[in-house]
Amino acid sequence: EAQVTQNPRYLITVTGKKLTVTCSQNMNHEYMSWYRQDPGLGLRQIYYSMNVEVTDKGDVPEGYKVSRKEKRNFPLILESPSPNQTSLYFCASSKEGFYGYTFGSGTRLTVV
Amino acid sequence: GNSVTQMEGPVTLSEEAFLTINCTYTATGYPSLFWYVQYPGEGLQLLLKATKADDKGSNKGFEATYRKETTSFHLEKGSVQVSDSAVYFCALSEPFNAGNNRKLIWGLGTSLAVNP
Repeated sequence: EAQVTQNPRYLITVTGKKLTVTCSQNMNHEYMSWYRQDPGLGLRQIYYSMNVEVTDKGDVPEGYKVSRKEKRNFPLILESPSPNQTSLYFCASSKEGFYGYTFGSGTRLTVV
Repeated sequence: GNSVTQMEGPVTLSEEAFLTINCTYTATGYPSLFWYVQYPGEGLQLLLKATKADDKGSNKGFEATYRKETTSFHLEKGSVQVSDSAVYFCALSEPFNAGNNRKLIWGLGTSLAVNP
């Protein structure tokens, strides 16, 4: 089944403790992206990747890192999480943007 | 810059009622347009899409037509069901050009509740 798999689904952590949210797709898509979803602000892009070793900032990249060492994986790294990063995170992949995007099930992160 | 505006919710309907959720956009060039749906506690699913003017996207009884003259992509369904209760997002994909990251520009979502 074609899918984007994110882990974990839920995570509660403490301020400053490094964490990684994993994202993997099995569709051989070049393009992958991370979004965060917040009430009243909608979905905002954090980082994106056009292909292996090609990544760039989206609209809200502060406090996040990404890497793209393999085509299928695009982890999101929070080196020192803070409470303002409490949010619902989605990973997405696409072959070409106009075909649409496949999203993971989301990761609900709470930083206390 | 590019933007998407969709009607605010929540929208509450009775089963079998007609649904319209308005979506208008601002974009240079010819974006692709999408409707995504988010069921309670779940991720985002592509509901339908249209890639050029006058295209009609359709899926699961939902339809939307890409209207360039009115820059709109309104979502419609003739007879909603309780199972259609969800949040609906209108989005556009910026036209691809050099340096463009193909990100999605999102509306804020419209919550739909369908009562039996």
